[in-house]
Amino acid sequence: DAGITQSPRHKVTETGTPVTLRCHQTENHRYMYWYRQDPGHGLRLIHYSYGVKDTDKGEVSDGYSVSRSKTEDFLLTLESATSSQTSVYFCAISESILAGGRNEQFFGPGTRLTVL
Amino acid sequence: SQQGEEDPQALSIQEGENATMNCSYKTSINNLQWYRQNSGRGLVHLILIRSNEREKHSGRLRVTLDTSKKSSSLLITASRAADTASYFCATARLSGYSTLTFGKGTMLLVS
Repeated sequence: DAGITQSPRHKVTETGTPVTLRCHQTENHRYMYWYRQDPGHGLRLIHYSYGVKDTDKGEVSDGYSVSRSKTEDFLLTLESATSSQTSVYFCAISESILAGGRNEQFFGPGTRLTVL
Repeated sequence: SQQGEEDPQALSIQEGENATMNCSYKTSINNLQWYRQNSGRGLVHLILIRSNEREKHSGRLRVTLDTSKKSSSLLITASRAADTASYFCATARLSGYSTLTFGKGTMLLVS
């Protein structure tokens, strides 16, 4: 999985609790992404980062925040988890975000989150 | 909203047969990419085709792009059981900074 790890790989939590998912890369790629994958919806972008401390919102950012204090780490936080946030979360990285650049993405193994 | 839409949603074939999946999109793009996802795993990048290319090959994979019809197809020749997976197309905007927009995928079963 291209030097990308996600932790934890599985988590069960209760509604209203905070949850933080971690993505760690060893590829030194500048751009990092968080997606959620749900049946019938495919892969949807939550937030992305274009450098340390530089982040932006994706398609489904409500209820999520992110932080990137080091090139290699990108954290996704659910401040107060809800059942609608039960999903599989994927982290991805890319060398470029320019449309004409090397914008192929490499994905981590995913985190399965269940919110009861 | 989703940019790419794969068709069919599911495809079941026998080993040795060819598998063809299609992707349609709505707005002009710089490039279109195909990814594979095995059950329970992350997506794996297969191939990228730019808007000025019409066809690209990689091993048993053949991708075509028709920008006039805003569509792409992925052909897997001589399918193997190991090709069983979901396949997604993803598009990048025409220019500038562009995240990828993924379709909902085609589930391929090779038996």
